[in-house]
Amino acid sequence: EDQVTQSPEALRLQEGESSSLNCSYTVSGLRGLFWYRQDPGKGPEFLFTLYSAGEEKEKERLKATLTKKESFLHITAPKPEDSATYLCAVTGANSKLTFGKGITLSVRP
Amino acid sequence: DTEVTQTPKHLVMGMTNKKSLKCEQHMGHRAMYWYKQKAKKPPELMFVYSYEKLSINESVPSRFSPECPNSSLLNLHLHALQPEDSALYLCASSPVGAANYGYTFGSGTRLTVV
Repeated sequence: EDQVTQSPEALRLQEGESSSLNCSYTVSGLRGLFWYRQDPGKGPEFLFTLYSAGEEKEKERLKATLTKKESFLHITAPKPEDSATYLCAVTGANSKLTFGKGITLSVRP
Repeated sequence: DTEVTQTPKHLVMGMTNKKSLKCEQHMGHRAMYWYKQKAKKPPELMFVYSYEKLSINESVPSRFSPECPNSSLLNLHLHALQPEDSALYLCASSPVGAANYGYTFGSGTRLTVV
């Protein structure tokens, strides 16, 4: 069974204080690893897809990286509007999207 | 158009009521999904439709009845729900066989069963 573990559960940062969110996974035949952002009461918003170890993608203050066992979402100089829950998910050989529990990020001004 | 639209945004229903949640997308995606999300938990898959046919039912109770009338619409019919069914119900869509793609999610319907 595919599994996704995210850490820490919650992270509080000062504005401008860079940090990383971790996503560890076990999956049979990784087909894609996904990062989503979710605001309270809203649906997940797609951020990145990573397909193979060594791959990196960037979008504004966010950068996602992938190894054979984990992915990191690096947040550089975060702003209060980056506060949200960040979900990691994988699809494997069964093509089902399996989510982690998410990391709640709070950025203080 | 890169949106998945869900209606209503909020729904309060009694345990004897019958109601329906609606989802619409115009991205040409032929796979559509229903997810249930409880507070501070990840989304949980309920149903998958592929080419308008039900392909996955994750052992969901029969009080939830999905329907896909055409390639753009997905409904979830609700009957005799329990208070523990209160949650955010999310619809998503993707190309078929989209293990390599990110799903597009709607904003959800916040359901409260009283």
